[in-house]
Amino acid sequence: KQEVTQIPAALSVPEGENLVLNCSFTDSAIYNLQWFRQDPGKGLTSLLLIQSSQREQTSGRLNASLDKSSGRSTLYIAASQPGDSATYLCAVSLIKAAGNKLTFGGGTRVLVKP
Amino acid sequence: KAGVTQTPRYLIKTRGQQVTLSCSPISGHRSVSWYQQTPGQGLQFLFEYFSETQRNKGNFPGRFSGRQFSNSRSEMNVSTLELGDSALYLCASSPDRGDGQPQHFGDGTRLSIL
Repeated sequence: KQEVTQIPAALSVPEGENLVLNCSFTDSAIYNLQWFRQDPGKGLTSLLLIQSSQREQTSGRLNASLDKSSGRSTLYIAASQPGDSATYLCAVSLIKAAGNKLTFGGGTRVLVKP
Repeated sequence: KAGVTQTPRYLIKTRGQQVTLSCSPISGHRSVSWYQQTPGQGLQFLFEYFSETQRNKGNFPGRFSGRQFSNSRSEMNVSTLELGDSALYLCASSPDRGDGQPQHFGDGTRLSIL
């Protein structure tokens, strides 16, 4: 059974500092890994998707890396801003035949202080 | 392009009642998945529908059911509501089965059981 863990559960940093969010998974037979952002009372916003054949993906200040062999992914957010305050979730989908089922980590709640 | 639309946004029910939640996917998306989010269990997969057929199911009791219509809109039904069913129910859509495209989420339906 696939298990996804995100540590720490909460993180507080001053504005301008780089954020490093960690995600680990137990089954390396993933199809892809997706990072999401969730604001209070809202749904999930997709940030980055990394296919199992890729090592990293970048979008603006965001960079996500994937190491399948060690079962880890890291989301880097450069030069954090107060608007980056949210909960960040990672989710993996298994082999293609498993359809679109996502297994989520518990999330990391981020607070960026002005 | 409109995003994933979930209705209603909020619902209050009492134990023993039943409820139906609705999800309209992004135009052209054929896969619709449902998730339950609670503070204690996090995000858990309920089921996925593709071309009006359920092709994935999570570990939830039979009180939770769903269906998908020919226009890809989906409904989720919960019968004999229990206090523990209080949660944010999220719907996600994607273009096709396991093709590596990111899933897009709606803002959810907040269900409260009294």
